[in-house]
Amino acid sequence: GQNIDQPTEMTATEGAIVQINCTYQTSGFNGLFWYQQHAGEAPTFLSYNVLDGLEEKGRFSSFLSRSKGYSYLLLKELQMKDSASYLCAVPNAGNNRKLIWGLGTSLAVNP
Amino acid sequence: EAQVTQNPRYLITVTGKKLTVTCSQNMNHEYMSWYRQDPGLGLRQIYYSMNVEVTDKGDVPEGYKVSRKEKRNFPLILESPSPNQTSLYFCASSLSGGTGGSGYTFGSGTRLTVV
Repeated sequence: GQNIDQPTEMTATEGAIVQINCTYQTSGFNGLFWYQQHAGEAPTFLSYNVLDGLEEKGRFSSFLSRSKGYSYLLLKELQMKDSASYLCAVPNAGNNRKLIWGLGTSLAVNP
Repeated sequence: EAQVTQNPRYLITVTGKKLTVTCSQNMNHEYMSWYRQDPGLGLRQIYYSMNVEVTDKGDVPEGYKVSRKEKRNFPLILESPSPNQTSLYFCASSLSGGTGGSGYTFGSGTRLTVV
């Protein structure tokens, strides 16, 4: 089957670094997405990884290991506004026009 | 500004009264999709469309209808809403669906309550 696992909740301190993990099982791989979603708002696109390694975008970086079925989102210099849910998603192997979504990791950034 | 526009933002309705949630995008995207989001269940796809007049069922299509008569519009229709359709709904569009690095652009969401 196809599945995504993420921790349900995480807590971190303003100014710190936090790593949000995502493991996936899929019979074929066509990339991995990370989205940020503030409570009651729409998800917004953060990153897309299709090759192994780390991709950096300002304070946010995303890492992928296809052999391990593993990705993480790294958030540096945390700010209060980073308190949100972070969603991991991969295209469905049988129909890559559909995404399989994780349930999201709710991150709370404390002062 | 590139965006997906959903209306209404909030809607309270009664069981059985037909309703339509509109979705429009101005990015000339071929792919559009509807999701519902419920606590503990995450985002679940209702229907998606690869292009005009091309629609397909997602994971939870029962009780919903869609149409794609124009590229920019993808309305969601609830012919006879029931309380279990109370949810937060999102429309999304993309250049290429689940592949490619462009990701999805989501509308602001519609919070629907059926009593």
